[in-house]
Amino acid sequence: EAGVTQFPSHSVIEKGQTVTLRCDPISGHDNLYWYRRVMGKEIKFLLHFVKESKQDESGMPNNRFLAERTGGTYSTLKVQPAELEDSGVYFCASSMNTEAFFGQGTRLTVV
Amino acid sequence: SQQGEEDPQALSIQEGENATMNCSYKTSINNLQWYRQNSGRGLVHLILIRSNEREKHSGRLRVTLDTSKKSSSLLITASRAADTASYFCATDGFNDMRFGAGTRLTVKP
Repeated sequence: EAGVTQFPSHSVIEKGQTVTLRCDPISGHDNLYWYRRVMGKEIKFLLHFVKESKQDESGMPNNRFLAERTGGTYSTLKVQPAELEDSGVYFCASSMNTEAFFGQGTRLTVV
Repeated sequence: SQQGEEDPQALSIQEGENATMNCSYKTSINNLQWYRQNSGRGLVHLILIRSNEREKHSGRLRVTLDTSKKSSSLLITASRAADTASYFCATDGFNDMRFGAGTRLTVKP
């Protein structure tokens, strides 16, 4: 069974540009989470989808971040325009019940 | 806000020694999970302990949970250089996980 897949694995963009991160959860998992880890600090929750609905987006830092989950399948996280402080590793996870499965993350570098 | 809080923030030991990391949380949970992150890589799920369990073992890992103190500990026995990583606890309250800041473990060969 395929795990959680994130794309790209690494992205380097200039300040002011737009980047879209994608997450493909494990098939059948209703819950999808986005997290990020900035500068080796703690892993921070961004938001939680249940199917296509945003259950909790309290962790989204500002309106430059937009997450969608089309048809309750894959999800995208768009950062527009990117700022230097957005650099970090963005993790996606999916779960059916209590155990979450994480992707390998997308390392975003904003220069 | 963050839920889990790990301590110590950093731990350095010699290969073969045991490593103990602690995690505290604030609200009621259904279960608590420990994860490892190797530098630059994704999170790896290590072990899950449910709120009605007190102790759980998996290979060289031993996890305890004290719901009265809202704390958990992760013990890695006979550590290896490959155990060098950051370790996080995550609490799962109502299917909504929160992570702590992590403990950076360095195992010296």
